[in-house]
Amino acid sequence: GESVGLHLPTLSVQEGDNSIINCAYSNSASDYFIWYKQESGKGPQFIIDIRSNMDKRQGQRVTVLLNKTVKHLSLQIAATQPGDSAVYFCAENRGSARQLTFGSGTQLTVLP
Amino acid sequence: ETGVTQTPRHLVMGMTNKKSLKCEQHLGHNAMYWYKQSAKKPLELMFVYSLEERVENNSVPSRFSPECPNSSHLFLHLHTLQPEDSALYLCASSRRDRGSDTQYFGPGTRLTVL
Repeated sequence: GESVGLHLPTLSVQEGDNSIINCAYSNSASDYFIWYKQESGKGPQFIIDIRSNMDKRQGQRVTVLLNKTVKHLSLQIAATQPGDSAVYFCAENRGSARQLTFGSGTQLTVLP
Repeated sequence: ETGVTQTPRHLVMGMTNKKSLKCEQHLGHNAMYWYKQSAKKPLELMFVYSLEERVENNSVPSRFSPECPNSSHLFLHLHTLQPEDSALYLCASSRRDRGSDTQYFGPGTRLTVL
């Protein structure tokens, strides 16, 4: 079946370093992708999104890259801070269905 | 705060109880969603209410019953639940007619079924 998945379930980085969280998707019809951050005890929080007609989008300290050739999405966090520790999900929107399909998440831990 | 509130935040119930979860959105959105989040599993879409239309995941048991009286309020009625229904239940909302479907989530209700 088609799915959204994450390459690594956990990622540990030193404070101040850059983080890269990866996501693979298999549905070439998906036209919209979102990254969410979920801190312990809270609901998922929107971080950044990107449409399939783009390959890069930047926000504040975050960049999302989309490679449609290999169906790969990544989230880059610059100068990672302790407050960035959370689970990060990617989600895809499969066109006419207009419903999001979520990956299982990557736990990011920022080390002092 | 995302503009989506959920009550209660925590709920413990027995298998014979009846309870309801409430969600309210203050974002002017026209679609609302219920998700189930279990440990180490992707978010599972349960129900969607969009422009007064209801869409449901056919795998959701009938012991879960949604109600959407208007575009700002969403309920999930629970009855005769099973221990495996223990999970975090998340509500979300979005604006579906603006070309993007970014969903904004509430904090969730942590449900424990004894």
